[in-house]
Amino acid sequence: DAKTTQPNSMESNEEEPVHLPCNHSTISGTDYIHWYRQLPSQGPEYVIHGLTSNVNNRMASLAIAEDRKSSTLILHRATLRDAAVYYCILRSSGGGADGLTFGKGTHLIIQP
Amino acid sequence: DAGITQSPRHKVTETGTPVTLRCHQTENHRYMYWYRQDPGHGLRLIHYSYGVKDTDKGEVSDGYSVSRSKTEDFLLTLESATSSQTSVYFCAIRQRGIYEQYFGPGTRLTVT
Repeated sequence: DAKTTQPNSMESNEEEPVHLPCNHSTISGTDYIHWYRQLPSQGPEYVIHGLTSNVNNRMASLAIAEDRKSSTLILHRATLRDAAVYYCILRSSGGGADGLTFGKGTHLIIQP
Repeated sequence: DAGITQSPRHKVTETGTPVTLRCHQTENHRYMYWYRQDPGHGLRLIHYSYGVKDTDKGEVSDGYSVSRSKTEDFLLTLESATSSQTSVYFCAIRQRGIYEQYFGPGTRLTVT
């Protein structure tokens, strides 16, 4: 499976935008880019996913580089509740039942 | 929130005893997954199911077995628990044709 590289931790201030980077230089043409986050003492939570085009939903935006070798999760206005570990995960669009491969993610700290 | 429950939520058991963890869903999703999470690590896939009585191994399946006799229940069994199986166990579900996985609240298992 193609691997992703994320910073171990990032810090941001409340009510400011947050840009979480992810490098995936070995991504294949059929890999979707997924983001999940895990709040303290909870199971992971789906955030967003995309293939080639930028994506927006109520939680976040996903900006995908033109060559698809990197992507950025954007939280437009961070709140204290956004403090979590954020995982960038590649998953083939080939379907199938196989699960997700999690790395160590980025620990996002939000300062009030 | 997706209708996923895990039981028990906490368990302490002794080395060598059998343990069964239960994942129950009310969503009628086809795919179900068991992951474990250890300190400093992301989640790792243990086993998954793609239908009733259809299961397959994940990355860290040694020492674990699973069963799925009904769509709504996916059981994870440790035949003879070891201290290395002390972990937090998460169940997840996914609907056919949809990429997002939804996770349960987790079961914290301690093997002494």
